[in-house]
Amino acid sequence: DTAVSQTPKYLVTQMGNDKSIKCEQNLGHDTMYWYKQDSKKFLKIMFSYNNKELIINETVPNRFSPKSPDKAHLNLHINSLELGDSAVYFCASSQDGFWGDPARGYNEQFFGPGTRLTVL
Amino acid sequence: DAKTTQPPSMDCAEGRAANLPCNHSTISGNEYVYWYRQIHSQGPQYIIHGLKNNETNEMASLIITEDRKSSTLILPHATLRDTAVYYCIVSLSGNTPLVFGKGTRLSVIA
Repeated sequence: DTAVSQTPKYLVTQMGNDKSIKCEQNLGHDTMYWYKQDSKKFLKIMFSYNNKELIINETVPNRFSPKSPDKAHLNLHINSLELGDSAVYFCASSQDGFWGDPARGYNEQFFGPGTRLTVL
Repeated sequence: DAKTTQPPSMDCAEGRAANLPCNHSTISGNEYVYWYRQIHSQGPQYIIHGLKNNETNEMASLIITEDRKSSTLILPHATLRDTAVYYCIVSLSGNTPLVFGKGTRLSVIA
């Protein structure tokens, strides 16, 4: 059983298009995240979200927006795609954050397999 | 920015112990040390974490110095499948967004 799944695995699109990447977790976690890994392999947080709070990395353009239809899903919508958006996007989830206890090992983040986005 | 410093790359012979160092001299008292790894083309995978004491699980051991300014991840018997980029991360809890540095690229050689 896949804990965190993403679709599609590969996405090739033209500049200016709008696209979405879907993420689902079946772990019952309350917090989900989107990370971006650029061509230099740097992994950076874009968003973290639970049912109480959305935290946005201030460097993320507002063309990117997370949408959560329910606790198990956090989709990433991207408007007006640009060449620089080409990257691998990873979704992750963890047990509820501020109420979790690292000493009991509840805070492990589970990552999805990634979606490679190529903007032409 | 990442609060950790790691060597960019290391080699290890298959079957030998791999010892991956990490410096985190500015760690605060309530921050944990987490280790994740990323095997080529896959999502990062949690390995282990610790606060003050040494920790061991089925994947690895984590040795944290008494002053908590550095730590070492030990893979006791490295296999070819352990070839990956290993990230040492300092975080208040695993639920806060992880701040990844450049990591150490470990190559396990047959």
